[in-house]
Amino acid sequence: EVQLVQSGAEVKKPGDSLKISCEGSGYTFTSNWIAWVRQMPGKGLECMGLIFPRDSDTRYSPSFQGQVTFSVDKSISTAYLQWSSLKASDTAMYYCARHVNSGDLYFDYWGQGALVTVSS
Amino acid sequence: QSALTQPRSVSGSPGQSVTISCTGTSSDVGGYNYVSWYQQHPGKAPKVMVYDVNKRPSGVPDRFSGSKSGNTASLTISGLQAEDEADYYCCSYAGSYTWVFGGGTKLTVL
Repeated sequence: EVQLVQSGAEVKKPGDSLKISCEGSGYTFTSNWIAWVRQMPGKGLECMGLIFPRDSDTRYSPSFQGQVTFSVDKSISTAYLQWSSLKASDTAMYYCARHVNSGDLYFDYWGQGALVTVSS
Repeated sequence: QSALTQPRSVSGSPGQSVTISCTGTSSDVGGYNYVSWYQQHPGKAPKVMVYDVNKRPSGVPDRFSGSKSGNTASLTISGLQAEDEADYYCCSYAGSYTWVFGGGTKLTVL
């Protein structure tokens, strides 16, 4: 069974750094792109970008370029989303999602989400 | 790129049909046959209901169907059931490994 399991909720202060994780299981982790998706409180979904675990090829959506960093550790089938200096506006639920590796283009499995709260 | 445009809310009675529209541009919805629709219940992760405009993943009821005309895609849910009440998001590939979502539509089953 394919699963994406994300790390738990975080409460941070503005200026803090943070790294959240997404562990894949039940499939070959290096065969599918992993996307990160933001959902701000009461708002819609936004694709932040994707990373390909096999070679760490990374594609950031323009709005998120330079604001966050994606990485992976293939040895433990885990993808990461990182901030170096959090802002209050980073408060949101963050989902990882697996992109299918066929000729179709969509996200077939999603993590349970990780709530990040940034408040002084 | 800008979010795709969806109605904020739609409603229907059990057994009825509802259609949710999703309007983009020729750079996203109109340019690719890669529109997907996601259902999100409160406090839950999104779940894909339709992909590549009109394909259904296994396990999704055939009450859910998708279509596209020009820059507008649509999701139709027929035979509405109480469990269909949720938020629905469209998503389109926009080229160069970028995806754009709609603002979401809240479906209320009366």
